[in-house]
Amino acid sequence: KAGVTQTPRYLIKTRGQQVTLSCSPISGHRSVSWYQQTPGQGLQFLFEYFSETQRNKGNFPGRFSGRQFSNSRSEMNVSTLELGDSALYLCASNYPGREGYTFGSGTRLTVV
Amino acid sequence: DAKTTQPNSMESNEEEPVHLPCNHSTISGTDYIHWYRQLPSQGPEYVIHGLTSNVNNRMASLAIAEDRKSSTLILHRATLRDAAVYYCILRDRGSQGNLIFGKGTKLSVKP
Repeated sequence: KAGVTQTPRYLIKTRGQQVTLSCSPISGHRSVSWYQQTPGQGLQFLFEYFSETQRNKGNFPGRFSGRQFSNSRSEMNVSTLELGDSALYLCASNYPGREGYTFGSGTRLTVV
Repeated sequence: DAKTTQPNSMESNEEEPVHLPCNHSTISGTDYIHWYRQLPSQGPEYVIHGLTSNVNNRMASLAIAEDRKSSTLILHRATLRDAAVYYCILRDRGSQGNLIFGKGTKLSVKP
């Protein structure tokens, strides 16, 4: 059974650019969540999507956005990148009614 | 969501049991206790969860205090591959919300 797949694994961008990260959940999982992990702030919740609708949102600026497609795949976008956006971005999926989330290995974004 | 308190770090010897404590004195009656771990260079991995009774699975056991104000994750025989950051998280039953991660406990396993 394939796990949660995140692409790309590594990314280097320049300040001011925008970036799109992709997440393919486990087949049958309809909920997709995104997290940002930095050494200083740890793991912080960005947003969650279920059936193409944003169901929950963390405390991040509007530069961070996401969407979910009908096949449950999700993308997150960060516009006008800042140095502080350098982080590991993690995606997690969940089967409806189940308690445990399955995380991907993340996308390491470096902003220079 | 209620808060959890965990030691910053713990050490264990390989093939010995490890007891990772978590305090959650403000837990509500509908909060599940979840444990995740994060190995180096990987995303978090679900370990176990429980509500009131002790729980066992192939990875670990979860012992929950009778008053539910604390819990302990038990790794029965630590291996080098168990070296990771372990997170104890409370999540309301049926919640559609996110997981709130604290700092966790960094477990080191010595050969």
